[in-house]
Amino acid sequence: AQSVTQLGSHVSVSEGALVLLRCNYSSSVPPYLFWYVQYPNQGLQLLLKYTTGATLVKGINGFEAEFKKSETSFHLTKPSAHMSDAAEYFCAVRAGSYQLTFGKGTKLSVIP
Amino acid sequence: EAEVAQSPRYKITEKSQAVAFWCDPISGHATLYWYRQILGQGPELLVQFQDESVVDDSQLPKDRFSAERLKGVDSTLKIQPAELGDSAMYLCASSYRQGDNSPLHFGNGTRLTVT
Repeated sequence: AQSVTQLGSHVSVSEGALVLLRCNYSSSVPPYLFWYVQYPNQGLQLLLKYTTGATLVKGINGFEAEFKKSETSFHLTKPSAHMSDAAEYFCAVRAGSYQLTFGKGTKLSVIP
Repeated sequence: EAEVAQSPRYKITEKSQAVAFWCDPISGHATLYWYRQILGQGPELLVQFQDESVVDDSQLPKDRFSAERLKGVDSTLKIQPAELGDSAMYLCASSYRQGDNSPLHFGNGTRLTVT
């Protein structure tokens, strides 16, 4: 079985501030982990993915995430928020069964 | 960059009517997925195809939902009859192959409103 929990359904940050979106997963086998972004009335776009190897993963638009096995976490960060980062972000896990399981999402607001 | 095409973008229908959604995946992608996303939630898998075969439809409400991918390319998802609780975004995604780290590429979805 696998599951993913995103802490905080809504996060607000000031423009230029650090973005931190939290994701914890549960998996009985080594997981593959993903972050997707969704803009209003659009589909999901892959930001980054963790498979094996380096635990710090860099993605598009300046985002990165660190896989921490001991904490079963895969938090998403960006050093400096831009207005264009306002969107909904989904963490997802896939392990063993090939079915991708999504979290409930975190809506990011950026305050000018 | 190639995209997953979905139509229509929006659909309003009355309960008990039939409705259908269409998806054309990225060329060469063997795996196709239909997801349902209720407002404020993450996407939930309805059905997964590998070529023309259904791999996983365990979460598909088969009394009213059906999906097909006859030639292993484009796909249709049908609801008959539609119920108020079916109001959601229906997302199609495709990937080069199933499993491991092959990322999903999503279309822009069909937003269904059942009145």
